[in-house]
Amino acid sequence: GNSVTQMEGPVTLSEEAFLTINCTYTATGYPSLFWYVQYPGEGLQLLLKATKADDKGSNKGFEATYRKETTSFHLEKGSVQVSDSAVYFCALKRGSGYDKVIFGPGTSLSVIP
Amino acid sequence: KAGVTQTPRYLIKTRGQQVTLSCSPISGHRSVSWYQQTPGQGLQFLFEYFSETQRNKGNFPGRFSGRQFSNSRSEMNVSTLELGDSALYLCASSPGIGDGGETQYFGPGTRLLVL
Repeated sequence: GNSVTQMEGPVTLSEEAFLTINCTYTATGYPSLFWYVQYPGEGLQLLLKATKADDKGSNKGFEATYRKETTSFHLEKGSVQVSDSAVYFCALKRGSGYDKVIFGPGTSLSVIP
Repeated sequence: KAGVTQTPRYLIKTRGQQVTLSCSPISGHRSVSWYQQTPGQGLQFLFEYFSETQRNKGNFPGRFSGRQFSNSRSEMNVSTLELGDSALYLCASSPGIGDGGETQYFGPGTRLLVL
């Protein structure tokens, strides 16, 4: 079945460090891929998405590229800030029809000054 | 457009009681999904409604039920509450069809505490 695997957290970085959160998926066909972020005490927010192979999603300095050959969608940011401290979820959905969204377990990020 | 709203935001109940949570999706969205989030189990899918019909269901007992109204607003109900039902319940809406139809937009959640 479809699944999403994320790197184990928590991840702790110093401000201005480079961030990579790994995400790999298993799915048939060509799913859409997403990164969601959840700040403390809030619901999830869409951070970025990509809908086909080699697409790059980007938002707020974060980027992720849809790699079909490695079934990956790693999240990167060149210089993290304290305000980026949150939980990050990788997710996939096949089409816009009857398949549900599959979420990874989430990766907690703490950025220290 | 207004975002997804959930009411109430916080709720305290005792074991054995029942609870109803409400979700108002983004205007024009026809799909509403519900999730349970706990520290131990993470984000777990409960069910999805599209145009008043349940089109996906997670692995939760029958105590968890939902419905969707003609205006796309949705409610979920939990009967005979157990301590383990304490969680953040998240609602997400999406267009449900068409280009970009799969992108979900989440509400702030309802935090339920069962004593």
